[in-house]
Amino acid sequence: EPEVTQTPSHQVTQMGQEVILRCVPISNHLYFYWYRQILGQKVEFLVSFYNNEISEKSEIFDDQFSVERPDGSNFTLKIRSTKLEDSAMYFCASSPPGTFTYEQYFGPGTRLTVT
Amino acid sequence: KQEVTQIPAALSVPEGENLVLNCSFTDSAIYNLQWFRQDPGKGLTSLLLIQSSQREQTSGRLNASLDKSSGRSTLYIAASQPGDSATYLCAVRRVTGGGNKLTFGTGTQLKVEL
Repeated sequence: EPEVTQTPSHQVTQMGQEVILRCVPISNHLYFYWYRQILGQKVEFLVSFYNNEISEKSEIFDDQFSVERPDGSNFTLKIRSTKLEDSAMYFCASSPPGTFTYEQYFGPGTRLTVT
Repeated sequence: KQEVTQIPAALSVPEGENLVLNCSFTDSAIYNLQWFRQDPGKGLTSLLLIQSSQREQTSGRLNASLDKSSGRSTLYIAASQPGDSATYLCAVRRVTGGGNKLTFGTGTQLKVEL
């Protein structure tokens, strides 16, 4: 069964460094998302992406964040200058076209630790 | 602003017991509701999705119901097994907004004991 994959599974970075989190959505999906979960807290929406542009973003998704679909398979989340509070599990998700449910399928996550 | 709450926060039951997890949301203008399972340190596995026009969905031992007008959903797990131990999350998608944003609940941590 097709799955969303994410790399790396764990990333450790120093405060102020740039990080890029990578996702490969399910191959025929057209809607892509990033969510994050700070340890012990709710899963929070960051951004959704469709037709090569952001369709919605949360207040968390400020100028330090950007998303890109550089080719036909990858979907990336970049954090330009990481802060301690960016430490969290980051989940990528995707939804298929041609349905009205927009059911979201999640990847296993990347644990980002900012030191 | 949509708020999603899940009760109880944690639940421990003996194997074989039937159980109900609760999810409530403050804004009834939802498009659909998804139930997920999250294992420790892992991603989210979609269990069931209920459209706003539906009252329930079933998958194997799982049955999810939706009462949109009262802002409630329940996940019923029949004949629980130790392998069901995980955190269960509900998430709602609102009617408006083109981004399919999901708003998640706080989760119920379930432990099924032998």
